[in-house]
Parts: sequence; structure tokens; C-alpha cells
Amino acid sequence: GQNIDQPTEMTATEGAIVQINCTYQTSGFNGLFWYQQHAGEAPTFLSYNVLDGLEEKGRFSSFLSRSKGYSYLLLKELQMKDSASYLCAVLDSNYQLIWGAGTKLIIKP
Amino acid sequence: DGGITQSPKYLFRKEGQNVTLSCEQNLNHDAMYWYRQDPGQGLRLIYYSQIVNDFQKGDIAEGYSVSREKKESFPLTVTSAQKNPTAFYLCASSIAGEYNEQFFGPGTRLTVL
Repeated sequence: GQNIDQPTEMTATEGAIVQINCTYQTSGFNGLFWYQQHAGEAPTFLSYNVLDGLEEKGRFSSFLSRSKGYSYLLLKELQMKDSASYLCAVLDSNYQLIWGAGTKLIIKP
Repeated sequence: DGGITQSPKYLFRKEGQNVTLSCEQNLNHDAMYWYRQDPGQGLRLIYYSQIVNDFQKGDIAEGYSVSREKKESFPLTVTSAQKNPTAFYLCASSIAGEYNEQFFGPGTRLTVL
């Protein structure tokens, strides 16, 4: 079966750095997405990785290792508004998105 | 401004009633999707459509129905056959093809009493 694993919840301090991991086992791979979702709202796109390596976009970076079935989202200089759930999703061989359950990130002052 | 709209934001229905959730997009996207989100779970695909007048079942289609008569619109009907309909419903759209970044509407929270 297809499976995406993320930690359920993480806590970090304002101004610090946090890394959210995602491991996947899917039938084929055509890219990995990270989305941010604030409580009760729609997910919004953060990043897309299809090749190995690190993609940096401002305070957020996303890393992919296809051979290890592993990705992480790195958030720097954490702000209170970063408190949200972070969803990892993999595009499988049929170009369907398979979603992880999401990681709830709690930022403390 | 381009985007996806869903209405209403909150919806209450009595058990045994069918209810239709609206989803409209003006992004000129060919593909549209309906997801259900329950607490502590990932998004689960209900139905999707890659082109007008065609749609496919997702992982949890039982108890739901859709139509795609216009490119801009993809309404979802939650029927009385759906055993546990209370959930947060999200509609999304994307361009057709390999790069599948999906854009989401604000969601509808359905509560069946």
C-alpha cells in the first residue's frame, strides 16, 4: 500500500529553527509537495520537489532524497504565525496526490 | 482576482437529508477535486474530474455524487447513504498534466445533526 509518515505534532520556540520530516512509500514518484494549513482554513502551497536536493524559498526550505523516500521542511526564524499544520503529499505514478496526515506545529514565545 | 470559492462556509443538515456543496473556480483549470478532511487524518480524495462531463471515483466515493457540466463548477452531493458525513470538505483545482499543484477553496464544514 501507499504510505506517508509525518510526526503528529511538534513544538518550537519563536525565532528558532524547526525541521519537519516526511517519509513515503508510494507506487511511483512524480514529485513531493509541502502545504501549510492554518486551523479551519484551506491548505496553501509551500514547495514542490522532484529532484534530489534542497530548494530554498525565503525562511522555508524543502529537501528531497528519492533514494531514501525522505523529505523535510525546514522553517527558520520562526514566527507565531507559523503555527499551523504542515502537510506532505506525494504525486504517485498515476499523478494522484497521496497525502500525509499532517504535522501540527506549535510555536511558543 | 482568480480563485476558488466554496459555499457555504458552515452547513447544518438533519440526518437522512441530501446536501449539495458548491465549488466554483475561475482559474481556467481543467482538473477539479473533492477531498474530505477529518481531525488527525490526511486529506482523502472523494471524486475528481480531469475534463468537463467526466469524473472518477477517489478512495472514499461511497455515499457521494458529483457532476461536471461546466469547466468552472464541480458540485458535490452528500447523500443519505454516507454513514458519517460530518467533516470538513475541501475543493481544489489544478491544470491538467504532470505538474499537479492544487489550489484549494476555503472549505465547507458540514455538520449532520
